[in-house]
Amino acid sequence: QSALTQPRSVSGSPGQSVTISCTGTSSDVGGYNYVSWYQQHPGKAPKLMIYDVSKRPSGVPDRFSASKSDNTASLTISGLQAEDESDYYCCSYAGSYTLVFGGGTKLTVL
Amino acid sequence: QVQLQESGPGLVKPSDTLSLTCDVSGYSITSGLYWGWIRQSPGKGPEWIALIYYTGDSYYSPSLKSRVTISVDTSKNNFSLKLRSVTAADTAVYYCARLINSWYWDSWGQGALVTVSS
Repeated sequence: QSALTQPRSVSGSPGQSVTISCTGTSSDVGGYNYVSWYQQHPGKAPKLMIYDVSKRPSGVPDRFSASKSDNTASLTISGLQAEDESDYYCCSYAGSYTLVFGGGTKLTVL
Repeated sequence: QVQLQESGPGLVKPSDTLSLTCDVSGYSITSGLYWGWIRQSPGKGPEWIALIYYTGDSYYSPSLKSRVTISVDTSKNNFSLKLRSVTAADTAVYYCARLINSWYWDSWGQGALVTVSS
């Protein structure tokens, strides 16, 4: 069970859109519609941003959207704002009551 | 609103056992759902460790299974983690969290830094 693959870093200017990918295998991302995304600011616990591939919890801005194609899930943040600068992690169910996280992506708002 | 709080020693010696407890408030563990432990080494992504249901049904990360035990105490509304034979590689912030039925973590504790050092 290997960690899901995410780009180490992405960046964008305020108002622009960025997309963060999360690549796994047919045993995790590709096999189930149970991908979630988390935002983590320094020294804080992760915060749920997306669940069930593309659903947003109450209180998460609709600037955050997500999708999945085959073994890759993607998180898109549109209309970038300074407060979006953070670390982002994906997580997927991997069968047999196990889960796997991604290595994380640092988003920089230029 | 559910709240989770980790507690336990912040310093553990190599080869000893790391023990942490997660106290849950605002939600009864016996109401269902799974509860779990996740750790995050400095500068790295989270790593799932273990899951437990209030009945005691438990599941473990394959990479840590041989050293980990998760348990639940419904009378105290908490659950615990034991990690045996620790090394410096086990130094991390350990989080407890609630897992929703479709496999996402909706509530997290603030995290507990555990350092393995002599």
